[in-house]
Amino acid sequence: QKEVEQDPGPLSVPEGAIVSLNCTYSNSAFQYFMWYRQYSRKGPELLMYTYSSGNKEDGRFTAQVDKSSKYISLFIRDSQPSDSATYLCAMSAKYSGYSTLTFGKGTMLLVSP
Amino acid sequence: GAGVSQTPSNKVTEKGKYVELRCDPISGHTALYWYRQSLGQGPEFLIYFQGTGAADDSGLPNDRFFAVRPEGSVSTLKIQRTERGDSAVYLCASSLLASGSSTDTQYFGPGTRLTVL
Repeated sequence: QKEVEQDPGPLSVPEGAIVSLNCTYSNSAFQYFMWYRQYSRKGPELLMYTYSSGNKEDGRFTAQVDKSSKYISLFIRDSQPSDSATYLCAMSAKYSGYSTLTFGKGTMLLVSP
Repeated sequence: GAGVSQTPSNKVTEKGKYVELRCDPISGHTALYWYRQSLGQGPEFLIYFQGTGAADDSGLPNDRFFAVRPEGSVSTLKIQRTERGDSAVYLCASSLLASGSSTDTQYFGPGTRLTVL
């Protein structure tokens, strides 16, 4: 079993839909949770960052963390065709003052006009 | 300002050859990371530099892989005797702080797509 599990999709939705993306993890040492967006042939770009259980909102994006269930989610409201990309969840634990990221496989999202 | 840059953007080589991949981090970022992303997978950690030294190379798959950062800025990932299984996108990331603090955001470059024939 991988440390971070993420459904690769693809997930196809019409423009304006609410999108829900999810990851589960097994390592209790993970303390920081991130969502990255990756367009085709580009590097990952940080969307959201959180370190506590609960919700964090930023514009159309809401990140949710449930540490007791080891489950994180990203919600996208009013999805746009420009949101079509691969969404990667990433997690980190602190080791001697630095952190490396453990990623999920990524979920490919397709938003059709 | 400029982001993380990586060169070349694409590299095609033959099995058994030696390759070097270069990363220019964001100016002033002391921490530098290399990741490898295989097709359909998320990035996987390879090595982390704090300044000039490799603080954690636990992700390097074997001794054919080596990375340097001699002046604490530009880094080069070196792969000897390349194999077809090395084909992947190699991503570099840098961050301002290496403290693992809540603001230690890693900024990624566009990657180098390596194809080993």
